[in-house]
Amino acid sequence: KAGVTQTPRYLIKTRGQQVTLSCSPISGHRSVSWYQQTPGQGLQFLFEYFSETQRNKGNFPGRFSGRQFSNSRSEMNVSTLELGDSALYLCASSLAPSGRSEQYFGPGTRLTVT
Amino acid sequence: QKEVEQDPGPLSVPEGAIVSLNCTYSNSAFQYFMWYRQYSRKGPELLMYTYSSGNKEDGRFTAQVDKSSKYISLFIRDSQPSDSATYLCAMSERRSSGDKLTFGTGTRLAVRP
Repeated sequence: KAGVTQTPRYLIKTRGQQVTLSCSPISGHRSVSWYQQTPGQGLQFLFEYFSETQRNKGNFPGRFSGRQFSNSRSEMNVSTLELGDSALYLCASSLAPSGRSEQYFGPGTRLTVT
Repeated sequence: QKEVEQDPGPLSVPEGAIVSLNCTYSNSAFQYFMWYRQYSRKGPELLMYTYSSGNKEDGRFTAQVDKSSKYISLFIRDSQPSDSATYLCAMSERRSSGDKLTFGTGTRLAVRP
């Protein structure tokens, strides 16, 4: 069974631009969660989608948004990029909502904002 | 104070040693406990997933949960250089408004050949 895939793997953007990241969950998984990982803050939860509905949201500004499609694939969008948005963005999928079943991570998208 | 505390290390051990990795937490509502391994430039890989207090063993790995002390551990027996990675603990709280999953900051482990 294929694992979680994320595209693109690497991105370089400039301040003020916007970016869209994509995540394809494991087949059959309906929950997709997004995380931001930085050396200083570790893994921080962005939001979770289950069956196309946002279930939970972390403490990030409104510039960070996401959505989930009927095939469970998810996208995350960051508008008006700031230097501090440089990070590894990880998505994870699970059968049931996160915390209630095992969550599997993708390889991440490394975003660099210059 | 963070809800989940984890010593960042680095922890350096010789090959074959028993490694003990630990996390403490303050939220008594956490019910599920996980350990992830993350190699450099890779996504975290789920190692162990436990629900109740007690021990769970999988090969060279043993996860231990002590809810009364709010303390979880991961033991690695016969450590190998390939175990060199960052180990993240994670815990979840079931809520009607959406389950909350909280990660520790990770412990870097280096196993010397």
